[in-house]
Amino acid sequence: EIVLTQSPAILSLSPGERATLSCRASQSVSSYLAWYQQKPGQAPRLLIYDASNRATGIPARFSGSGSGTDFTLTISSLEPEDFAVYYCQQRSNWPPYTFGQGTKLEIK
Amino acid sequence: EVQLVESGGGLIQPGGSLRLSCAASGFTVSSNYMSWVRQAPGKGLEWVSVIYSGGSTYYADSVKGRFTISRDNSKNTLYLQMNSLRAEDTAVYYCARVRDGNWFDPWGQGTLVTVSS
Repeated sequence: EIVLTQSPAILSLSPGERATLSCRASQSVSSYLAWYQQKPGQAPRLLIYDASNRATGIPARFSGSGSGTDFTLTISSLEPEDFAVYYCQQRSNWPPYTFGQGTKLEIK
Repeated sequence: EVQLVESGGGLIQPGGSLRLSCAASGFTVSSNYMSWVRQAPGKGLEWVSVIYSGGSTYYADSVKGRFTISRDNSKNTLYLQMNSLRAEDTAVYYCARVRDGNWFDPWGQGTLVTVSS
């Protein structure tokens, strides 16, 4: 089973700052990695798929990079609405889908 | 507009059964991979089950043998039959389309299942 480890668990930043979130896989997932944003009381929303492609309607300040085992989600300049929990997710043979434990991005 | 709306959650005693529904609009359920993902209170996301467009079904080890995923093509609706429920099944259950077989998009709003006596 492929395990995804996200770091840090909590990231405290101010609006306008740059956020860098990490997701590490226990073995290679090629580029089969996605990022989701979840706000309190809401369902998750797809941000990035195939490691670096923005989903429809996602602002350009969100970008994804990486391949193999190390991936990064970058938010270039934080807006107030970006403070949320972020999850990475991978696709493999079995189990077919797993998620990281999440990174909470909070206002400093 | 592509949309998913879940229903069927509620309070159920341990050992009981519940069926969740997920009504889709804006796309055809049977032409897509469809999945259930759950989130225990204050916890992260856990994949539960998937049904492929061809009809194959797969389950997480934690629910295998107790949960059954299915769909009704005439109603464009996805289901999750949950039997032998346990306290640890307490969670918000989300249905989601699995884009390209890989990514969950969109998600429904979720339905809360509470297993407690």
